[in-house]
Amino acid sequence: GNSVTQMEGPVTLSEEAFLTINCTYTATGYPSLFWYVQYPGEGLQLLLKATKADDKGSNKGFEATYRKETTSFHLEKGSVQVSDSAVYFCALRLLQGAQKLVFGQGTRLTINP
Amino acid sequence: KAGVTQTPRYLIKTRGQQVTLSCSPISGHRSVSWYQQTPGQGLQFLFEYFSETQRNKGNFPGRFSGRQFSNSRSEMNVSTLELGDSALYLCASSPEAGVSYNEQFFGPGTRLTVL
Repeated sequence: GNSVTQMEGPVTLSEEAFLTINCTYTATGYPSLFWYVQYPGEGLQLLLKATKADDKGSNKGFEATYRKETTSFHLEKGSVQVSDSAVYFCALRLLQGAQKLVFGQGTRLTINP
Repeated sequence: KAGVTQTPRYLIKTRGQQVTLSCSPISGHRSVSWYQQTPGQGLQFLFEYFSETQRNKGNFPGRFSGRQFSNSRSEMNVSTLELGDSALYLCASSPEAGVSYNEQFFGPGTRLTVL
């Protein structure tokens, strides 16, 4: 089946620290990969995406590279801010057919000033 | 452009009742998907509608149903509510179906509490 495994949380960092949230996937086809962010009391917002191997998605200082050989899509940011505190979800969607997103379990990130 | 809107934002029901949630997609978007978010199970796909037709369905009991209208607005219904149905129900819209790299735009969700 198709699944996404994310790094267990919660993750707590100090402001300006380097962030990595690991994400690996299992897919029967060729997925597109996404990172979504959820702020308290809100729905999900797309943070970045990559649609084929070796693509790098980037937004707001966050980056993730689609690594087919390791089936990974790790999220990184060089210097986090307090405003980055949120829950981050890695997700995949197969190239064929459904709009269905398969999500990881989410990683809660807290940044302390 | 207005985002995805969901109504109501909060709902409290008792076991055995039924509930209807509404979702209005972004103007021009024709695909609507529904997800259930719980602390234990995370985010799980419920169903997807496109052009008033259900294209895909997740692994949920028949108590969960939905429909889409000609203006792309969608409703989901849960009958005979159980305590375990307490969750945040998220609706997402996309311009079209069957395109994996299209972004899905999520609404703020409806928080359902079953007592």
